[in-house]
Amino acid sequence: QVQLQESGPGLVKPSQTLSLTCTVSGGSISSGDYYWTWIRQHPGKGLEWIGYIYYSGTTYYNPSLNSRVTISIDTSQNQFSLKLNSVTAADTAVYFCARETARPRYGTDVWGQGTTVTVSS
Amino acid sequence: DILMTQSPSSLSASVGDRVTVTCRASQTINRYLNWYQQTPTKAPKLLIYSASSLQSGVPSRFSGSGSGTDFTLTISDLQPEDFATYYCQQSFNTPRTFGQGTKVEI
Repeated sequence: QVQLQESGPGLVKPSQTLSLTCTVSGGSISSGDYYWTWIRQHPGKGLEWIGYIYYSGTTYYNPSLNSRVTISIDTSQNQFSLKLNSVTAADTAVYFCARETARPRYGTDVWGQGTTVTVSS
Repeated sequence: DILMTQSPSSLSASVGDRVTVTCRASQTINRYLNWYQQTPTKAPKLLIYSASSLQSGVPSRFSGSGSGTDFTLTISDLQPEDFATYYCQQSFNTPRTFGQGTKVEI
């Protein structure tokens, strides 16, 4: 079955860029059936949708982060990535990569385990 | 953005109880409503999609209903492993938005 695994630094300095990669195994990221998604969860808080990318490269971002976020896809490596620039302590969170069924819209059915990112000097 | 409001924020229940969580959208979302379960330190798990469809592998004691703006998640015969936080999410449009969560406690 499809599995997702996040990777990247667990500590990022303020004003720098947070960079995470999600590796997809057990299935192709080039499938047109899915949106490849990033979601985060601040400590002790609820879930915040960051955005997603389609295999074609089309992206949708949360307007609350729109100016700072970039999601990209590398179909040759079966990976997609998140970059969040100009980070502050408010970006400290657990970051999940996930798969949302695109057509039809059947929810986000596969999640990575999550990776904790702390923004601190 | 579509605001999703869950109630209650938390509830106390016992094994064997029937539990109901509600979710209200700030505008109609047809049936584009999903429910997730999250236990501490784990990723969320999809329980229900399209308001009432049970995700594969999820026990039948979980059920969902509703359409438009008002939705319900019901857990019948609560089991020890069901003590968790539950989130609703709309997939009607972007940005996807979640409810604030409902914590089901003993």
